[in-house]
Amino acid sequence: DAGVIQSPRHEVTEMGQEVTLRCKPISGHDYLFWYRQTMMRGLELLIYFNNNVPIDDSGMPEDRFSAKMPNASFSTLKIQPSEPRDSAVYFCASSGPLGEAFFGQGTRLTVV
Amino acid sequence: GNSVTQMEGPVTLSEEAFLTINCTYTATGYPSLFWYVQYPGEGLQLLLKATKADDKGSNKGFEATYRKETTSFHLEKGSVQVSDSAVYFCAPLNTGRRALTFGSGTRLQVQP
Repeated sequence: DAGVIQSPRHEVTEMGQEVTLRCKPISGHDYLFWYRQTMMRGLELLIYFNNNVPIDDSGMPEDRFSAKMPNASFSTLKIQPSEPRDSAVYFCASSGPLGEAFFGQGTRLTVV
Repeated sequence: GNSVTQMEGPVTLSEEAFLTINCTYTATGYPSLFWYVQYPGEGLQLLLKATKADDKGSNKGFEATYRKETTSFHLEKGSVQVSDSAVYFCAPLNTGRRALTFGSGTRLQVQP
């Protein structure tokens, strides 16, 4: 398996624009997680899904953020409109029955 | 919910020195415990894990023992290498809530 695949690896956008981050989890994994990493706040859990259903979105910072998982092999995290304070590295991870999570390489988002 | 306390970094060592990175956690019940490592510009990688009290996880010369009585899971390595320079994260996982809770991470710098 190729592991968790995220795209794009880097994204630079202007404030106010819509940003969509994409994730393909490991086949057979039934949990998918979105994390955000910044120097100030470390690793924050934004939302996670089980069998494509959102279980906990309490970490989503505000209504500008939304996440979907239309099927077992694809998820998106959307920010609309984006703001400079959203600049961070966004990680997607997936896990199976043993609970250990496997992370993608991350998307480095810069909002100018 | 779960929480993790890791020792402040950076930890700076000379090559072949002994490494200890302390980790204590609070969690309900008996979580599984994980150490992840993040190399510069990359996602988190699972380093080792332990699923029950007194278990010892090990990988690549690193070890950590699940200590229920002290709620600790300290990471050790007998002889570090320059290539071990990275950020290390401790994380408990409850079976009920399947999302990992990460500590602040400890940066390790190994000098030749």
